[in-house]
Amino acid sequence: AQSVTQPDIHITVSEGASLELRCNYSYGATPYLFWYVQSPGQGLQLLLKYFSGDTLVQGIKGFEAEFKRSQSSFNLRKPSVHWSDAAEYFCAVEKGNTGFQKLVFGTGTRLLVSP
Amino acid sequence: DGGITQSPKYLFRKEGQNVTLSCEQNLNHDAMYWYRQDPGQGLRLIYYSQIVNDFQKGDIAEGYSVSREKKESFPLTVTSAQKNPTAFYLCASNPDTPNQPQHFGDGTRLSIL
Repeated sequence: AQSVTQPDIHITVSEGASLELRCNYSYGATPYLFWYVQSPGQGLQLLLKYFSGDTLVQGIKGFEAEFKRSQSSFNLRKPSVHWSDAAEYFCAVEKGNTGFQKLVFGTGTRLLVSP
Repeated sequence: DGGITQSPKYLFRKEGQNVTLSCEQNLNHDAMYWYRQDPGQGLRLIYYSQIVNDFQKGDIAEGYSVSREKKESFPLTVTSAQKNPTAFYLCASNPDTPNQPQHFGDGTRLSIL
């Protein structure tokens, strides 16, 4: 069965510092991968997605992620964090490329940004 | 603006009551989903629907029911059989074409009185 691991429950980063959130997946073939962000009491917003092609994916708000098949990872990065980036971040995997998506989510990483 | 509207934002239920959470989308999306979110557990799929008048159980369907009478609407009923209903519920949708990610509503928080 597919699974997604986000090993960090909380991460604190100083404003202006770089950020990397880890995501590891378990799936036999090349999965379809997503990063979503959730502000408190809100729904999820898509940051970026990987379906195929270039393994470095650019997203919104200055985020990027790199798919590494050898490490079964899809880590999210940002070179300089802003206070407004404080939120919870979810990695998700989907095994098929059809209209219907049965996403499997990680447990999330809460990002705190210190002044 | 197109989007997904969930209502109400907060909902309280007494023991033994059924409650219905509304999800409406004007994105003309075919597929719709209901997720439950608990602290530290991420999102878990309750039910999903690919077309009108058809829906399937997800991973945690016990104690829940849904209907899909219209393309734009996918209400979720939390029945009295759901013993631990306190959670944040999220509705999502996406088109029935490849490479289209899910869009999410802003959620409904359900609490037990």
